[in-house]
Amino acid sequence: EAQVTQNPRYLITVTGKKLTVTCSQNMNHEYMSWYRQDPGLGLRQIYYSMNVEVTDKGDVPEGYKVSRKEKRNFPLILESPSPNQTSLYFCASGRTGASYEQYFGPGTRLTVT
Amino acid sequence: KQEVTQIPAALSVPEGENLVLNCSFTDSAIYNLQWFRQDPGKGLTSLLLIQSSQREQTSGRLNASLDKSSGRSTLYIAASQPGDSATYLCAVRPRNTGFQKLVFGTGTRLLVSP
Repeated sequence: EAQVTQNPRYLITVTGKKLTVTCSQNMNHEYMSWYRQDPGLGLRQIYYSMNVEVTDKGDVPEGYKVSRKEKRNFPLILESPSPNQTSLYFCASGRTGASYEQYFGPGTRLTVT
Repeated sequence: KQEVTQIPAALSVPEGENLVLNCSFTDSAIYNLQWFRQDPGKGLTSLLLIQSSQREQTSGRLNASLDKSSGRSTLYIAASQPGDSATYLCAVRPRNTGFQKLVFGTGTRLLVSP
């Protein structure tokens, strides 16, 4: 089954404790991206990757890191999480090109206390 | 800067009604527009993708239209069912920022009662 998977699905952590949210897709997509969703603000892009070893900032990259060492994986790293990073995070993937739709993972709900 | 607005924010209808969800965007320079459904705990499911050169797309009971010049899209749901209850999001792919991202509206929460 073609899908985007994220782990963990739910995470409660404390300020400053490094964490990684994994994202994997099995559709051989070149493009992958991370979004966060906050009430009243909609989904906003954090980082994206056009292919292996090619990443770039989205609209809200502060406090996040990403890497793309393999085509199927695109982990999101929070080196020192803060309470304002409490949010619902979505990973997405798609074929490179403007006309292609994007596919989203099930989301990771992160709470930073 | 592209902005996407969805009205109403919430909608409650009895089963069987036909309904229309609205999406407006401020910049008509888009590659395409995508409608999603968001269920709690299940992420976003893509419903329809309309390219900028198209006027509408249909899938089952769903029909989405696009009027790029006026910056509007509608999602029409025929004969609504309780299983249609979810939050519906529209998103555009702006031309002026490349195709690297989608700009989302804040959604319409739909409740269909039996």
